[in-house]
Order: sequence, then structure tokens, then C-alpha cells
Amino acid sequence: EVQLVESGGGLVQPGRSLRLSCAASGFIFDDFAMHWVRQAPGKGLEWVAGISWHSETIVYGHSVKGRFTISRDNAKNSLYLQMNSLRDEDTALYYCVKDSGATPTGYFDPWGQGTLVTVSS
Amino acid sequence: DIVMTQSPDSLAVSLGERATINCKSSQSVLYTANNQNYLTWYQQKPGQPPKLLIYWASTRESGVPDRFSGSGSGTDFTLTISSLQAEDVAVYYCHQYYSTPHTFGQGTKLEIK
Repeated sequence: EVQLVESGGGLVQPGRSLRLSCAASGFIFDDFAMHWVRQAPGKGLEWVAGISWHSETIVYGHSVKGRFTISRDNAKNSLYLQMNSLRDEDTALYYCVKDSGATPTGYFDPWGQGTLVTVSS
Repeated sequence: DIVMTQSPDSLAVSLGERATINCKSSQSVLYTANNQNYLTWYQQKPGQPPKLLIYWASTRESGVPDRFSGSGSGTDFTLTISSLQAEDVAVYYCHQYYSTPHTFGQGTKLEIK
């Protein structure tokens, strides 16, 4: 069974940094691209970033480009999101998501349970 | 960026009746080289992550009840639940993966009338 377990969320002040992690199991991690997708409280889904199977292709959403960095460690079956210069509007539940293929251009399945990031002073 | 617009924003349907949710993309998500529509539908129940229902616009994910079906091509797509069950109460999202940035519709909240 595929499992994606996010961690690292919490309360952080505006302008500070936070690093999210996602531990993957139940599939061959380095065969698939991965993504982060977020959902602000009571709102819809927003794609944040995606990374290909061997990190050769990395893409970001407009609202986080230049502030967030997605990375992966295939030896540890782990996905990361380094979030810098955090803003109030980054407050959301952050989901780790497996792509259907090796490049970050497929559909999303499955999704982790999410880790909550709250940006507030 | 491809803008995805769903209609309606909310929908109330009686148990056993048909529910129809529409999704329109601002440009075609049909890749002519393989004749595939890069369009997915997800179901999100309260307190849960989204769950994949339909991919390639009309292919039902394994384990998804056959009362769920997807149709459409190009820019106009539909998710149909043929006979609404109580467990289908959720928010439904369409998603295009034709190009990055990936984009989602705003969601349609489905309730029981």
C-alpha cells in the first residue's frame, strides 16, 4: 500500500522559514515524480511545486517561485519543501502527492494526509 | 496558465438521482499526439485528502464505483454520478495536467437534497 506521511508543519512568524518532509513507502519512490499541493482553510486546491524522478525537472507555482524549494532524496524515499520568506497567505494544509509518471506532468494519486502550516505573528 | 472553471459551485441532489458537475478549461487540454485529454476528477470528503476518481477525462480509477463517470473533450468536461448515494457528499475538483502550472477548478460542493 502506498503511504505518504508529511511532517514539519507548525506555527511560524511571517518572514521566517520552515522545512516540510514527506516519507514515502509502498512503491518504488525513484520511479515517480512528486508534488506539493496546498489547501488554505476552507478553500480549494493550489499546486505548489513538482519534481521529476531524478530531480532533473523542477517546476513551481507562481505564488511560491523564488521563495520555496522542492527537493528529494531517493536514498531516503523522502520529499522536501523548504519554505522561506513565509507570508500570511502561505497558511494552508500542505499535501505530499505522488505523480502518475516520472515527470511532474501527470495526475495525482495518492495524496498524503497533509501537514498544517500556520503563518502568523 | 490554464484556468479551470467548474459549475455549479454547489449542488443539492436527492438520493438516487443523477448529479452532474461541469468543468471548463480556458484552453484545450487535448493532446492530439495521443488523443488524450489531460483532465482528472478528485473527490474530497470533509477532513480527508482528495481522492482520485477519474483520469484521462473518462478512465475510472480502480475501486471507484461505476456510478461515477467522466466525459468530454477539449475544453468542456462533465462528471456524472448516475444515482447519488449518501457517501457521495463531498467537494469535487477537476484538474488539468496538460501543462504547468497544474491548475484546479474551484470545487463543487455536492449535498443531499
